[in-house]
Amino acid sequence: EVQLVESGGGLVQPGGSLRLSCAASGFTLSAYWMSWVRQAPGKGLEWVANIKQDGSEEYYVDSAKGGFTITRDNAKNSVYLQMNGLRVEDTAVYYCTRRGPGTSKRDSWGQGTLVTVSS
Amino acid sequence: QSALTQPASVSGSPGQSITISCTGTSTDIGAYNYVSWYQHHPGKAPKLVVYDVSYRPSGVSNRISGSKSGNTASLTISGLQAEDEADYYCSSYTISRIWVFGGGTKLTVL
Repeated sequence: EVQLVESGGGLVQPGGSLRLSCAASGFTLSAYWMSWVRQAPGKGLEWVANIKQDGSEEYYVDSAKGGFTITRDNAKNSVYLQMNGLRVEDTAVYYCTRRGPGTSKRDSWGQGTLVTVSS
Repeated sequence: QSALTQPASVSGSPGQSITISCTGTSTDIGAYNYVSWYQHHPGKAPKLVVYDVSYRPSGVSNRISGSKSGNTASLTISGLQAEDEADYYCSSYTISRIWVFGGGTKLTVL
């Protein structure tokens, strides 16, 4: 069974940092693009970042550039999102998702981890 | 990159059909056939219901279908059932090599 399990969320003060983790199981992680998608309270889904199968390419939404870094460790079946300089507007549930190459088939999502940025 | 435009809400009675539109530009929906749709019940993980404009993942009801014309994609649900009530989001790849979601549409089954 394909599973994505996020962890690392919590309460952090503005300007602080958090590192989210996504543990993948039930499939070959190295065959998939991996992404983070977030949903702020009362808002819609927002794509945040993705990383290529071998980690050689990364892309970010404009609001995440300079502050967020996505990485992966295929040997550990894990994907990470390092978030620095957090702002109140980064408060959201963060989902880890997978997508096959050459398709928009984002077919597996984790349950999400809540990040709250507040003083 | 702006979000794709969806109606905030749509509604229909059981058995009826509804269509949700998703309007983008020539730099996203109009540029690629990489449009997908997600069903989201609050508190749960989003679920893929259509990918690459019109393909359904296995296990998704054939009452759900997707299409695209120019810069606008559409999701149609026929034979509405109570279980279809949820939020629906479209998503597209863009020429900037990033992905964008629509603002979401709340489907109410009357």
